[in-house]
Amino acid sequence: EAGVAQSPRYKIIEKRQSVAFWCNPISGHATLYWYQQILGQGPKLLIQFQNNGVVDDSQLPKDRFSAERLKGVDSTLKIQPAKLEDSAVYLCASSHTSSGNTIYFGEGSWLTVV
Amino acid sequence: QQQVKQSPQSLIVQKGGISIINCAYENTAFDYFPWYQQFPGKGPALLIAIRPDVSEKKEGRFTISFNKSAKQFSLHIMDSQPGDSATYFCAASGHGQNFVFGPGTRLSVLP
Repeated sequence: EAGVAQSPRYKIIEKRQSVAFWCNPISGHATLYWYQQILGQGPKLLIQFQNNGVVDDSQLPKDRFSAERLKGVDSTLKIQPAKLEDSAVYLCASSHTSSGNTIYFGEGSWLTVV
Repeated sequence: QQQVKQSPQSLIVQKGGISIINCAYENTAFDYFPWYQQFPGKGPALLIAIRPDVSEKKEGRFTISFNKSAKQFSLHIMDSQPGDSATYFCAASGHGQNFVFGPGTRLSVLP
């Protein structure tokens, strides 16, 4: 079974520029998550999708972050304009259901904003 | 109430020793408590998980101990090996509750 795929793995941008990350979840997983992991901290949920609907985006900085999951499969997370404090690893994860089951993480997209 | 506290922040153990990491939660709606292991440059991977209907779960060298009344749970790594050197995150979730992760414990096992 293929895991959660993410791209790009690494990205360096200047502040105020934009960046987009792509995620392909495990086949059949209805729930997709985007987490932000700042160095030395645990993952923090940015947004959760159930199929192509948003379940929770309460911690997503909506003035600069946006995410979509078209057709309930792949997802894209966009940051525009980027700030220095956005430097982090952006982890995509997926699971069969929205609570209680294992969530499987991708290897992450490492963003450095300079 | 959504917070999961984790300690210690870092841990150094000799090869063959026991590593113990502790977590505590407040939200009584949580009913699923996984531990994730993360190696540098990789995403977190599920190590072991427990539900509150049991007080202990063991898988190989890894054991979760769960104390429902104290709202605490811990990970024990027996016979720790250098290959266990990684960051460990406890987490909690439940019906209608998103996964909440602890801040992580960086484990170093010395050869």
